[in-house]
Parts: sequence; structure tokens; C-alpha cells
Amino acid sequence: AQSVSQHNHHVILSEAASLELGCNYSYGGTVNLFWYVQYPGQHLQLLLKYFSGDPLVKGIKGFEAEFIKSKFSFNLRKPSVQWSDTAEYFCAVNAGYGQNFVFGPGTRLSVLP
Amino acid sequence: NAGVTQTPKFQVLKTGQSMTLQCAQDMNHNSMYWYRQDPGMGLRLIYYSASEGTTDKGEVPNGYNVSRLNKREFSLRLESAAPSQTSVYFCASSEIRSSYEQYFGPGTRLTVT
Repeated sequence: AQSVSQHNHHVILSEAASLELGCNYSYGGTVNLFWYVQYPGQHLQLLLKYFSGDPLVKGIKGFEAEFIKSKFSFNLRKPSVQWSDTAEYFCAVNAGYGQNFVFGPGTRLSVLP
Repeated sequence: NAGVTQTPKFQVLKTGQSMTLQCAQDMNHNSMYWYRQDPGMGLRLIYYSASEGTTDKGEVPNGYNVSRLNKREFSLRLESAAPSQTSVYFCASSEIRSSYEQYFGPGTRLTVT
């Protein structure tokens, strides 16, 4: 069965620091990859997605992610975080052409002002 | 467009009671999903419906039933609630045209005492 792991449970950064959140998945075939964000008390919103093509994808609010197929990774990055980026971040994988999404356990990001 | 809506927002049940969580989407999506979110475990798929008239089990279906009432509505029923079902429940919908990018509802916070 496919699985998704996220490297960090809780990340604490100061404003303006750079961010990288790790995500690895276990599936050898075609994948669609997603990063979702959940702000406190809110539902999940899509940050960015990868289906095919350029492995570096840009999303909303200055976030980007790089798909490295050989490493089964899809790490999320942002050059300079803001206090408003405090949230929980979920990596998700949709393997093949099925509809059975698998989410990672999430990484909580706390940005200190 | 309201997107994905869920009712109720909050619910407290006693062990053994039953209830139905309602979900509706107005995006004309074919696929709908029910997840539960527990701390440190990310989102786990309970059931999904690829299209009207079909439902399939996800990762954690035990103790739940679903009904795809029509294309818009997908309900989740707890027949005999247990404390282990205390969680936040999210409904989502998606469409093959967008490679199954999922749109989430605001969630239902359920406590079983």
C-alpha cells in the first residue's frame, strides 16, 4: 500500500527564515502530488500540485515544491516565512489514476514574530 | 458557489447513539470523500464515492456507513457511536478533469462521551 511520510512533526521558525518541509512517498508508478495547508480552525486548502512536466511547481503565497522522482520526494519550500504562515501542512499523494488519496501525518509550522 | 458544505459543525454524542453527518457540493464533481482527522495522524480516508451510485471503503471504514444520495450529497452515518470515533470529520469532492484535486468542507467536530 502506498504511504506518505513527512520528516518533521513540528517546525518552529522566526519570521524571514527559510522553510523546507520534507515529504516522501512510497509508490513506484505515476503519481499526482499535492501540498495542502490548514490554518488554525479552518479547513484544508490547496497550496500547490504536481501532475507532470516541470518538477518545480509554484503555488500560492510564495510557496514552491520540487518533485524528485529518483528520491520519491516532494519537498515544500518558501524563501522567507511570515507569521501568517503558521499552520499545519499536509503532503498528499494520488497514485496512478485511482481516487484513493493518501495524506501524510502533517507538519505543524509555528512562525514567531 | 458555496463549494463543499457540511452539517453540523459540532456534535456531542453519548456512546451508542447514532447520527448522520451531511455533506453537499455544488461544483458538479463526480467524486466525494469522507475523512477523519486525528492529531498526529493526518487525514485518513473512511469511504469514497467515485460517482453517483457507487461507494468504496477507504483506510478506516469500520463503524461507519455512507450513502451517495445523488451527485451533490454524500452522507456519513455512525450507527452506534464509540469514544474512538471522537474526531474531526472532513468531506471533500473532486473531479477527474483536475486530476482529482480535492476541495474540502469546513469539517464537523464530533465528541463521543
